[in-house]
Amino acid sequence: SQKIEQNSEALNIQEGKTATLTCNYTNYSPAYLQWYRQDPGRGPVFLLLIRENEKEKRKERLKVTFDTTLKQSLFHITASQPADSATYLCALGNQAGTALIFGKGTTLSVSS
Amino acid sequence: GAGVSQSPSNKVTEKGKDVELRCDPISGHTALYWYRQSLGQGLEFLIYFQGNSAPDKSGLPSDRFSAERTGGSVSTLTIQRTQQEDSAVYLCASSPHSGTGEYEQYFGPGTRLTVT
Repeated sequence: SQKIEQNSEALNIQEGKTATLTCNYTNYSPAYLQWYRQDPGRGPVFLLLIRENEKEKRKERLKVTFDTTLKQSLFHITASQPADSATYLCALGNQAGTALIFGKGTTLSVSS
Repeated sequence: GAGVSQSPSNKVTEKGKDVELRCDPISGHTALYWYRQSLGQGLEFLIYFQGNSAPDKSGLPSDRFSAERTGGSVSTLTIQRTQQEDSAVYLCASSPHSGTGEYEQYFGPGTRLTVT
């Protein structure tokens, strides 16, 4: 069955540094991969979608890469700010095309 | 515009009681999803509605769980004879298109269910 792993439960960094979060998947070759942000007590909010034929996608201070050979996506936040502190989730569409399968998330804490 | 809304925001119920959770998707969105998020766990898919097609119920954990979507809009998730392990945040999401994975999903704030 499909499996997604975000291999850091928590990541602590200093303000201004680049945060790098990792998402690995197995048993599947998705055409798309998505990243969401979730704040405590709220539902996830969509950030970026990257397609299998796109190696990299950028949006403001965010950058996502998608390596279909390694079955891995990296999510970068440059010039991180305390306001970036949240849980970040990666997600893939399931093979049936009926739902997203989410990783457990990485909780990022940016200290000033 | 209005986002996805869910009600109630919090629900405390006694073990064995039935509960109904409501989701109002974004107007015009044809796809609607229910997920469950337990403490320290990722989002777990429950059920998917797409237009007038038969829903994908493959994620429902037991026959105590059911959901319906009336008129292609509002959805209700019903849990019968609640158990303590049903305690979780139930999230609803909608999307303007089918083809999950290809389009972003818009999530509601969730309903926090506590079974005592």
